[in-house]
Amino acid sequence: ETGVTQSPTHLIKTRGQQVTLRCSSQSGHNTVSWYQQALGQGPQFIFQYYREEENGRGNFPPRFSGLQFPNYSSELNVNALELDDSALYLCASSPSGRPLEQYFGPGTRLTVT
Amino acid sequence: AQSVAQPEDQVNVAEGNPLTVKCTYSVSGNPYLFWYVQYPNRGLQFLLKYITGDNLVKGSYGFEAEFNKSQTSFHLKKPSALVSDSALYFCAVRDPRHNNAGNMLTFGGGTRLMVKP
Repeated sequence: ETGVTQSPTHLIKTRGQQVTLRCSSQSGHNTVSWYQQALGQGPQFIFQYYREEENGRGNFPPRFSGLQFPNYSSELNVNALELDDSALYLCASSPSGRPLEQYFGPGTRLTVT
Repeated sequence: AQSVAQPEDQVNVAEGNPLTVKCTYSVSGNPYLFWYVQYPNRGLQFLLKYITGDNLVKGSYGFEAEFNKSQTSFHLKKPSALVSDSALYFCAVRDPRHNNAGNMLTFGGGTRLMVKP
């Protein structure tokens, strides 16, 4: 196991609603990245947080936002949910000074109906 | 922009036979290359990476990968497949120019490996 946990495991939301997904990293992991994995596809980078600030973003609209907290936990927030937001959301954390090592959590499966 | 292609949706191999899962990439400059494996209902597990140095990289569970700069490929290999190797495999590339400004990995679409007894 990687020591990265995510909650909830599964979630069902209705189009237009807002959702918050959570990730808890290991102590000392000060970088966290979020990925979206649609069914049958590879993960796509959403954004990365380093020391509680966003420092990299993929091709995702502003309704995808995040937070990183001092206790190595983080959140992914998605507003105005669309059907295409249905996917597995993965977070990955990296130890301080070793950004090439990414430890992935098991993911949260979001279904938007 | 960087990209990764995994040309095979599925690879079938008999247990005990060698396996190869193909990956080609496109990136400006020298790439950082990775292989991950995903089991059902699980996150991604790191197998190996190429940063620099020897073109043959050894990783977890007996897997290895060969970096070929002229062919822009990074194929995953194992000399003798196990049934338990059956899973979804992802190749990924990172542009080293993003060293401190983002840890973005670009993933391929994945290849399902089926190892039959």
